[in-house]
Amino acid sequence: DADVTQTPRNRITKTGKRIMLECSQTKGHDRMYWYRQDPGLGLRLIYYSFDVKDINKGEISDGYSVSRQAQAKFSLSLESAIPNQTALYFCATSDLNMGEQYFGPGTRLTVT
Amino acid sequence: RKEVEQDPGPFNVPEGATVAFNCTYSNSASQSFFWYRQDCRKEPKLLMSVYSSGNEDGRFTAQLNRASQYISLLIRDSKLSDSATYLCVVNEEDSSYKLIFGSGTRLLVRP
Repeated sequence: DADVTQTPRNRITKTGKRIMLECSQTKGHDRMYWYRQDPGLGLRLIYYSFDVKDINKGEISDGYSVSRQAQAKFSLSLESAIPNQTALYFCATSDLNMGEQYFGPGTRLTVT
Repeated sequence: RKEVEQDPGPFNVPEGATVAFNCTYSNSASQSFFWYRQDCRKEPKLLMSVYSSGNEDGRFTAQLNRASQYISLLIRDSKLSDSATYLCVVNEEDSSYKLIFGSGTRLLVRP
């Protein structure tokens, strides 16, 4: 089984709809992250969490919210989706003492 | 100036070739450096960490030049399976684990 899982893997939604992307991990890591990736751009950080009671905005948090339900679960919500939120979304985790991050398989989101 | 800059490529090389990628970063306080590999439409996967003394893992060698704020990745004896996008990654500052990703260098290895 994969260490970091994301659901759904693909989603098409309409402008104005609320959508939630979910991430679960079995690595036992404290830190979790949400990124988006657009063609030709590097991954950009949306939100990150260093433990269940800690939520921080990243580079591009506007239009997004997150919830850290447990150490192993970190969800990303788009309250009212818009077309420029069409992107590939990745969840990642890292250990407290190591810098490298481990990514889930991604969610391809299309907003029409 | 972008925080992490890479030549987007693509680098198109024959099997068996040696190819080198470079990356520059803007934050002199950065302490952690990585190369990730990303296949098309897949998640980034850690290829190797980059240490001050340089490090090697099989056909892959990474080098760090702090004075020039420059990181390199050398791939020897390229395989078809090396075709991917290589992401240069730097941590935001020396006390943080927030990573800054370059936009990647695409490698195509042809038969």
